[in-house]
Amino acid sequence: NAGVMQNPRHLVRRRGQEARLRCSPMKGHSHVYWYRQLPEEGLKFMVYLQKENIIDESGMPKERFSAEFPKEGPSILRIQQVVRGDSAAYFCASSPAGSIRNTIYFGEGSWLTVV
Amino acid sequence: GENVEQHPSTLSVQEGDSAVIKCTYSDSASNYFPWYKQELGKRPQLIIDIRSNVGEKKDQRIAVTLNKTAKHFSLHITETQPEDSAVYFCAASKAQGAQKLVFGQGTRLTINP
Repeated sequence: NAGVMQNPRHLVRRRGQEARLRCSPMKGHSHVYWYRQLPEEGLKFMVYLQKENIIDESGMPKERFSAEFPKEGPSILRIQQVVRGDSAAYFCASSPAGSIRNTIYFGEGSWLTVV
Repeated sequence: GENVEQHPSTLSVQEGDSAVIKCTYSDSASNYFPWYKQELGKRPQLIIDIRSNVGEKKDQRIAVTLNKTAKHFSLHITETQPEDSAVYFCAASKAQGAQKLVFGQGTRLTINP
């Protein structure tokens, strides 16, 4: 049973370009979460999605960031017009539908470097 | 909203000794407290978690204690080994709704041989 799959693992973008990070949840999981980890810091919640629905985006920056989880395919975190401060590790996690146990499983992360 | 404070930020212990990392939280409604271990360049891995209906949980050399009244919880690692060296994060969340974990700032644990 494959774990949470993220790609790309490493991504380099120039300032002003767009970054797209993809996340495929564990088999049987329909809830996806994105977290961001700045260098030398803890993880910060960004957004929680179910299929075709954003449940909680309270941690998403108001501009340039968007997330989706379509009916088919992976969840995508999109960062438009990247700036140096966006350089971070972006972790995706997933959990089963209706889970009351809170346990979530993180993917290996996508490391974004903005040059 | 919830705020989680973690101490110390760095910890160095001799191999075989015990290590203790402490966290406090602010939201009395939080009732799920996981601990993650993160090695350099890797994902956070869940090592142990505790829910607010218990005060202590143990798994081999790792234990977690929870004091709901004082709103703090601690990670205890006994008989430390070099492979325990990593950054450890505590987190807190509420049971209902989104699994929105609030993380502490992390503790860099170094085990000296």
